[in-house]
Amino acid sequence: DGGITQSPKYLFRKEGQNVTLSCEQNLNHDAMYWYRQDPGQGLRLIYYSQIVNDFQKGDIAEGYSVSREKKESFPLTVTSAQKNPTAFYLCASSPLGTGGYNEQFFGPGTRLTVL
Amino acid sequence: AQKVTQAQTEISVVEKEDVTLDCVYETRDTTYYLFWYKQPPSGELVFLIRRNSFDEQNEISGRYSWNFQKSTSSFNFTITASQVVDSAVYFCALSEAFYSNYQLIWGAGTKLIIKP
Repeated sequence: DGGITQSPKYLFRKEGQNVTLSCEQNLNHDAMYWYRQDPGQGLRLIYYSQIVNDFQKGDIAEGYSVSREKKESFPLTVTSAQKNPTAFYLCASSPLGTGGYNEQFFGPGTRLTVL
Repeated sequence: AQKVTQAQTEISVVEKEDVTLDCVYETRDTTYYLFWYKQPPSGELVFLIRRNSFDEQNEISGRYSWNFQKSTSSFNFTITASQVVDSAVYFCALSEAFYSNYQLIWGAGTKLIIKP
C-alpha cells in the first residue's frame, strides 16, 4: 500500500533530550513537509523539502532540525533548544509536477509529550 | 498579505441537518489553489478537494458540495444530511502559484460536532 508512515505514534521525552521523529513515504513524491499542531489550533509549518539534500525553514523552525538524504525519508529532530515541544507532529508529502499545485498527503502523526 | 479565515471555530448540529463551513481567503496572486481537508479524531488529515482559481464551477461529491465564489473570495463547504461520522475538524487552505513556493496557507479550522 502506498502511503506515509510516521513513527512512533506516541513519544515521551525528558526535558533537555533531543528526539527524532520518523517520516517515510513510498508515494515517490518530491516534496515533504513537517507541521506542528497544538491543541485546538491549526497547522504550522516547521520545515519542508522539495528535493533530496535540500530543505527550507518554515514559520517555526527554531529548535528543530531535519535532513533529506533519501527521497523517501524526512526525519525531524526536536532539539533541547525547542522550549515547548509538546504537540502533535504531522508529516506530509506531495508531488511537484507542472500544471498545478497538488494536494499534500498526510501521515498519521506523532504525539510528543515532554515530561 | 495572503491568509485564510475560517470564522466558525465550532459548529454543532443534530444529525441529518445540513451544515455549511465558511472559508474566506486573501491572495495577491491571480492563479491559486484552494483545498479542504478533514481531520477526524484519529488526527490524520484527509484530503477532500482541490480547486484552481480559474474554475468557479461548484463541485458535488455525494453529500459534500463546495461553492467557490471569486467575487467574495470564498470557498464554502456544505454537508447535506449530516452524519455522526462527519464529526471532525475541517481545514481550508490556499496555495498561490507565484508566491507560495508549493506551501499551503492554512485556516485555523472549524470543529464540526454532529449529535445523534
